[in-house]
Amino acid sequence: QVQLQESGPGLVKPSGTLSLTCAVSGGSISSSNWWSWVRQPPGKGLEWIGEIYHSGSTNYNPSLKSRVTISVDKSKNQFSLKLSSVTAADTAVYYCARDATAAGGGLYWGQGTLVTVSS
Amino acid sequence: QLVLTQSPSASASLGASVKLTCTLSSGHSSYAIAWHQQQPEKGPRYLMKLNSDGSHSKGDGIPDRFSGSSSGAERYLTISSLQSEDEADYYCQTWGTGSWVFGGGTKLTVL
Repeated sequence: QVQLQESGPGLVKPSGTLSLTCAVSGGSISSSNWWSWVRQPPGKGLEWIGEIYHSGSTNYNPSLKSRVTISVDKSKNQFSLKLSSVTAADTAVYYCARDATAAGGGLYWGQGTLVTVSS
Repeated sequence: QLVLTQSPSASASLGASVKLTCTLSSGHSSYAIAWHQQQPEKGPRYLMKLNSDGSHSKGDGIPDRFSGSSSGAERYLTISSLQSEDEADYYCQTWGTGSWVFGGGTKLTVL
């Protein structure tokens, strides 16, 4: 059973860069899945940030594209999110997810990590 | 533009059934969606992928009380024999061209 675990600083200063990592266990990040980041501001709904394939191909939410970079580290079996020039509006719980639905599998979520943007 | 529309709230009694609706925007009635459950103070949980023909594949360990169906641009999630732990936010989600789109979510109250 593939498990996902987010990690990274819980507090980021305004104008700084938010950096998170999603560690994949119980399976290989090189499997034929897309690996995504999703966030949820306090009290609000879910917002897709972007995704990456193990080959390095990426897709980003157009509203965040100029500030987002998602990368994969096969040697560590993990993928990462960087969001630059953050403001208070980027305060949210950030989730990583594995999408295996195209191959007949399910969609698996990490437990999420809260990132607060504040000075 | 690919948009998913959900009613903000729904309610039903303990032991009863409820049917939640997710509506695809015009021109996208053939799209599959996924349903996710988010219990209070928890992360999302994948319930199922629901195709336009009503066929669906559920996630690991999802009870038979949860089922999906489709009609045109509408995608439904039916929960039968409602239990207190079913009180949660329910989100539909679909796949655009290189993107995901979420509905606004429906808050289900179990009375």
